[in-house]
Amino acid sequence: GESVGLHLPTLSVQEGDNSIINCAYSNSASDYFIWYKQESGKGPQFIIDIRSNMDKRQGQRVTVLLNKTVKHLSLQIAATQPGDSAVYFCAETYGGATNKLIFGTGTLLAVQP
Amino acid sequence: GAVVSQHPSWVICKSGTSVKIECRSLDFQATTMFWYRQFPKQSLMLMATSNEGSKATYEQGVEKDKFLINHASLTLSTLTVTSAHPEDSSFYICSANNPLLGSGANVLTFGAGSRLTVL
Repeated sequence: GESVGLHLPTLSVQEGDNSIINCAYSNSASDYFIWYKQESGKGPQFIIDIRSNMDKRQGQRVTVLLNKTVKHLSLQIAATQPGDSAVYFCAETYGGATNKLIFGTGTLLAVQP
Repeated sequence: GAVVSQHPSWVICKSGTSVKIECRSLDFQATTMFWYRQFPKQSLMLMATSNEGSKATYEQGVEKDKFLINHASLTLSTLTVTSAHPEDSSFYICSANNPLLGSGANVLTFGAGSRLTVL
């Protein structure tokens, strides 16, 4: 089913530290997951994706981990920078023919200088 | 590449009027586009799937007669909020499948969003 966001959880980190943002997804049939970053007043931007046949994928400064057993997804950001401050959403998809993406609640990442 | 453009970026209208929001794929063709709505400090909620040349598919609870969607070409989808009321005030975001991103076929590129305020 759809995830409905009511209040945004906040993660506050110091500049230079590593950040870990977590997401619990809802549908065990979901086979593709994406992390998006949304800055204030803007549309979401793609960060990284992962298929369900993988449990880890790395990008530039970011790593996504997938645990299908507990339906959990995480985004790790290395050496967090002030420009990383934004809301981060995980999104899941299933029924690939329609390409519908269902978004999670979102987490506000606040990077302290 | 693969840019999705939305217009207008913000609009203020009086209660009872209709507002049209355009979503264009600038350098790729999109047979399918998606319209999301986002309230402050909340997640994106899928409203409908816009299909080129056919009727849109609406999510449960979304009034198709209130949120009219037209996808007349491979690069343009429009969302018209009819007889808008203050509770329709929100951030409306469109998206299209981006074949250039990610490792799968489901990566959506999003427009910058359109903020609607109904007085």
